[in-house]
Amino acid sequence: SQTIHQWPATLVQPVGSPLSLECTVEGTSNPNLYWYRQAAGRGLQLLFYSVGIGQISSEVPQNLSASRPQDRQFILSSKKLLLSDSGFYLCAWSRTFSEQFFGPGTRLTVL
Amino acid sequence: KQEVTQIPAALSVPEGENLVLNCSFTDSAIYNLQWFRQDPGKGLTSLLLIQSSQREQTSGRLNASLDKSSGRSTLYIAASQPGDSATYLCSSSGKETSGSRLTFGEGTQLTVNP
Repeated sequence: SQTIHQWPATLVQPVGSPLSLECTVEGTSNPNLYWYRQAAGRGLQLLFYSVGIGQISSEVPQNLSASRPQDRQFILSSKKLLLSDSGFYLCAWSRTFSEQFFGPGTRLTVL
Repeated sequence: KQEVTQIPAALSVPEGENLVLNCSFTDSAIYNLQWFRQDPGKGLTSLLLIQSSQREQTSGRLNASLDKSSGRSTLYIAASQPGDSATYLCSSSGKETSGSRLTFGEGTQLTVNP
């Protein structure tokens, strides 16, 4: 069966510090991968998605970037965090045209 | 641009009641519609996926329907239990990016009282 992992589970970072969140998927190959952010009162927003290694599509202009160095690894990064980057970050995977499955999430607080 | 709306935003019911959660979407050119459950501080758990060619899907006490022509989907929960308390999210998948882009509603926060 497939499983999806995210770490860290929680993170508290000062404004201006760098960020690296990691997501890995097990039990499948060549998945589509996604990063979402869920901010309080604002619903779930798609940030990036990837259909293959090195292929990243950005949905919204922002302070964040994503990379896919391996088939089942998806990384969300920032060089300098802003207060507005606080939120709950969710990684998901799917097959093309199919159901999406979500990871447990990372709670990021920027102070 | 697809917009997904969920009504009501919050719902509180006594245990044992049957209930309906509503979801509407503005662009009927969807590939599929997916319902999720989210417990506080947790990730999303997929409940049901309805392909655009389907009318409904059932899993246990849950039944989801899809009416593309009217831009609506409903999630029916039979014989509700306190363990059903959670936020329920509806999402539609667009065809323009090979189904990769999900657009979410704001969710319905359900409380089932014992």
